[in-house]
Amino acid sequence: DAKTTQPPSMDCAEGRAANLPCNHSTISGNEYVYWYRQIHSQGPQYIIHGLKNNETNEMASLIITEDRKSSTLILPHATLRDTAVYYCIVRFQLYGNKLVFGAGTILRVKS
Amino acid sequence: EPEVTQTPSHQVTQMGQEVILRCVPISNHLYFYWYRQILGQKVEFLVSFYNNEISEKSEIFDDQFSVERPDGSNFTLKIRSTKLEDSAMYFCASRALGLAGGETQYFGPGTRLLVL
Repeated sequence: DAKTTQPPSMDCAEGRAANLPCNHSTISGNEYVYWYRQIHSQGPQYIIHGLKNNETNEMASLIITEDRKSSTLILPHATLRDTAVYYCIVRFQLYGNKLVFGAGTILRVKS
Repeated sequence: EPEVTQTPSHQVTQMGQEVILRCVPISNHLYFYWYRQILGQKVEFLVSFYNNEISEKSEIFDDQFSVERPDGSNFTLKIRSTKLEDSAMYFCASRALGLAGGETQYFGPGTRLLVL
């Protein structure tokens, strides 16, 4: 699986958009970009994933650059409950393929 | 919305004792996983399970660990003789059979294991 690079921490004001970057310059053409988050010591929560196109769901938007070497997770209106560790994971979608977690980005949403 | 459940939420045991952590994956899912997270560290993959056999395991998953799907709903992780360093949060995850790719793993809330 390709390695990812994320900033260790970010701050965001409540109600503003949180933009979390991820670099994955060695990604291959059949690898997906996944985003999970972990609040305190709870189980990782799936947020969104994509292959080439930008994606949006009820939680967030995922913007993937045209060369696929980086992506940005956007939380459009961050709330205090969005304070968490956010993980960007790149993986090839083999049957049963494991997720490899890095250190992620600690997002602190402040009032 | 379907979710992965895990029991117990907390378990305290003495070193050398056996523990069984239980998980109920999402009902139509066919791939099952165990991960663990030692306090302050990354989430680490332990094992994946499909079609009643282990499909992949990490170096952590040694002979002290075993997994089983004893019936149609439960998925268990057994640690035969616990060590102090087994103290961690253990997360179960499951996913559907995705032939097109992009299938997502969903995690349970975890079991906090403390070995004394």
